[in-house]
Amino acid sequence: SAVISQKPSRDICQRGTSLTIQCQVDSQVTMMFWYRQQPGQSLTLIATANQGSEATYESGFVIDKFPISRPNLTFSTLTVSNMSPEDSSIYLCSVEYSGTDTQYFGPGTRLTVL
Amino acid sequence: AQSVTQLGSHVSVSEGALVLLRCNYSSSVPPYLFWYVQYPNQGLQLLLKYTSAATLVKGINGFEAEFKKSETSFHLTKPSAHMSDAAEYFCAVKNTGGFKTIFGAGTRLFVKA
Repeated sequence: SAVISQKPSRDICQRGTSLTIQCQVDSQVTMMFWYRQQPGQSLTLIATANQGSEATYESGFVIDKFPISRPNLTFSTLTVSNMSPEDSSIYLCSVEYSGTDTQYFGPGTRLTVL
Repeated sequence: AQSVTQLGSHVSVSEGALVLLRCNYSSSVPPYLFWYVQYPNQGLQLLLKYTSAATLVKGINGFEAEFKKSETSFHLTKPSAHMSDAAEYFCAVKNTGGFKTIFGAGTRLFVKA
């Protein structure tokens, strides 16, 4: 399995500001995913980030609000822009190694927007 | 389209009792099926995975799940609950050849002393 780290682990932010979340994997992976988990809810896929191509966003999520970078095979960032209290959630990154069909998750970033 | 239904948002058992968490899936092609566990303030950890090699899948921490195609079910069981099993459990499905994993709504397991 992968060793995945996320930074920051938690943050409290003011309305209207932006936060960039980092996801680092200990080995090269093809597919990386970003999820949102609102309090008491299941996971909602925000986007799929493959190295060398633009991120693919799910319905209801747009690049202007959630820009994603994937500069190499071990790293990705998700930015939550112009935040509002409704963005308060846990943001999770996950990875899938080619041929495994299995996702492994980072520890998550707990975001509170005031 | 694939989907996952977890029956029961909350399950409470006594320590030492059987744990049964229910999951039904819908998939037009043979699926991969997963159970993940999420402890408070942590990410999701893979418990076990079904890949068609065997219908009874053993996972970590004494958990196992049985794939029943006729019932489109993949229920998670553990013979004897431990206090440390208290967590949120997610069932998930992925179509073979697909790239998206679909997660169920989750079941919170409470273990009473």
